Amino acid sequence: GAVVSQHPSRVICKSGTSVKIECRSLDFQATTMFWYRQFPKQSLMLMATSNEGSKATYEQGVEKDKFLINHASLTLSTLTVTSAHPEDSSFYICSARDSRGLAKNIQYFGAGTRLSVL
Amino acid sequence: SQQGEEDPQALSIQEGENATMNCSYKTSINNLQWYRQNSGRGLVHLILIRSNEREKHSGRLRVTLDTSKKSSSLLITASRAADTASYFCATDGDYKLSFGAGTTVTVRA
Repeated sequence: GAVVSQHPSRVICKSGTSVKIECRSLDFQATTMFWYRQFPKQSLMLMATSNEGSKATYEQGVEKDKFLINHASLTLSTLTVTSAHPEDSSFYICSARDSRGLAKNIQYFGAGTRLSVL
Repeated sequence: SQQGEEDPQALSIQEGENATMNCSYKTSINNLQWYRQNSGRGLVHLILIRSNEREKHSGRLRVTLDTSKKSSSLLITASRAADTASYFCATDGDYKLSFGAGTTVTVRA
């Protein structure tokens, strides 16, 4: 199956710093990638849809200036948590939609990034 | 937004037994998907069932879909310790997935 690589897997940072998370599709091109946030023992909450070459589409309640998304190529999307605070601590997961053939409705997920802001 | 509601929230079974979990949703869908998440990891796609399908099999997995009741079920047969994970249903209405709250399955050896 398709592989999505997410890096880093874990980040511990001081309050006020910015953190960048990368999401790469390794063996397919992804015009659309998604960023989710997951709190402990809860479901995934979609934060934004990242479209290659255009602005990301943010879900209601998600601050676009806080969570900067860049999708500069067909294989890479980045999420930058700007001026992180303890309440931003969470598990962030990206996914990429394979637009080819029968797999086009399936999303392939990265392994997630555990962000801890001190 | 979270559309799916899953039942039960948690399930503990003996190895070799079957595990059944249910998912209900609210709006019309193109397809419904099931994913598995091991603790602290990303999600793995298990199976996709389209809105015009009623049942689908993949190995030890069986998924049903009842669009009139807006519900789906996932059956894992002959469970193994490695099946211990959280299972999420996700509805696809406009190529964005809306996830249910998940069912945590523990398979005891």
